Formats: sequence, structure tokens, C-alpha cells
Amino acid sequence: AQSVTQLGSHVSVSEGALVLLRCNYSSSVPPYLFWYVQYPNQGLQLLLKYTTGATLVKGINGFEAEFKKSETSFHLTKPSAHMSDAAEYFCAVSAPNQGGKLIFGQGTELSVKP
Amino acid sequence: KAGVTQTPRYLIKTRGQQVTLSCSPISGHRSVSWYQQTPGQGLQFLFEYFSETQRNKGNFPGRFSGRQFSNSRSEMNVSTLELGDSALYLCASSWGNGNQPQHFGDGTRLSIL
Repeated sequence: AQSVTQLGSHVSVSEGALVLLRCNYSSSVPPYLFWYVQYPNQGLQLLLKYTTGATLVKGINGFEAEFKKSETSFHLTKPSAHMSDAAEYFCAVSAPNQGGKLIFGQGTELSVKP
Repeated sequence: KAGVTQTPRYLIKTRGQQVTLSCSPISGHRSVSWYQQTPGQGLQFLFEYFSETQRNKGNFPGRFSGRQFSNSRSEMNVSTLELGDSALYLCASSWGNGNQPQHFGDGTRLSIL
């Protein structure tokens, strides 16, 4: 069975500050990990993914995440927050034998203060 | 390249009715997955169809069903609607391998009165 825990349902940062959104996963097999962003009244947009290979993955809009197997973590970071980053962020896990099934965390709402 | 299209965007139904939601995947994608999003339960996997066959199923009652057509378009049906079925229903398509990202539509907002 797989599960995802996102620490912090709400995170608030100032514009220009570091963004850190935490994600821990549980998986009995090597996981595939994803971060998605959702803006109001829209679907989910893929930010980045980890499947195999390099553990530091870069995504769109300046975001990156590092897969740490020993810590079962896949935290999302961005060096400098922009007002347009305000949205809800979801971490998700899948597995080689799960096809198109994604298990999502509860989400973290990011607020960016001017 | 057109994205995932879900219709309708908004629906209002009453308890006991049934509803059908439609999803057109990205051209070439053979996998279509459905998710329910609510404030209380978050994003929950309903089921996945691949090449017209249900390949994965979440923990939802039998009132929730789906199907996929030969052109990969998918429909989801909910019968005997309950107040708790009010949610945003999201459809996602992909090539079908777990390491490939899913592309989401903007969802159908279903409200039950």
C-alpha cells in the first residue's frame, strides 16, 4: 500500500522568500513521485516528477524537489517566491504496478505575502 | 495539442438522480483515470480505464461506475446521488505507464441539492 503525507495544510511566505513544501511517502516498492499545482477553479498541473535516475529534479516555474530514499521524502522548494505561486500544491505517489493510479497527499495551500 | 476536456463544467442535481460525466483525453493517450476532490477527503482515486478495460479501482461504492470507448473517451456515471457526492470530479489521461505524468482536465463541479 502507498500513502502520502504533506506536513502543513497552510504555508505562508513573503515574496522573495524560500518556499519549502514537505512531502513524505510510504511505498512498498520503488515509488514514482509527482508534484502538482492547482489554481482556483482549475485542474491539476504537473510541476515535476521523479521516476528513476537523478534524485534532484527540476520542474517548471523554478521549482525543484529532491528524492531522499532514506528519509522517504520528496520536498518541494523554490528559492524565491512570487505572488503568482499562491495556489494549492499536491504531492502524489504511484508505482510500476499501479498504472495510472495516483495516491495524493492532502495538499498544502501556499500564500505569498507582498 | 488539445488538452483533456471534461464536460459539463458544472452540474446541479437532486438526491436520488443519476449523472453522467464525460472526459476526452489527450490524443494518443490510452489511460483515463477519474478522481473525486472534496474539502474533507481531498483527492481520491475512483478508477482507471486502459484500452476500454477497468485496470484499477478505488474504494468507492458500486454507485460509481465508468466506461471507456474505443477512441479512449471515457464516461463516469453516478447513480442514486447523495448529498455527499457533491465534489469536483477530475479526469486525467496518460500513456498508461505509472512513470508517465497524468494530464488533468479542469473538472466537473457536481452539486447535489
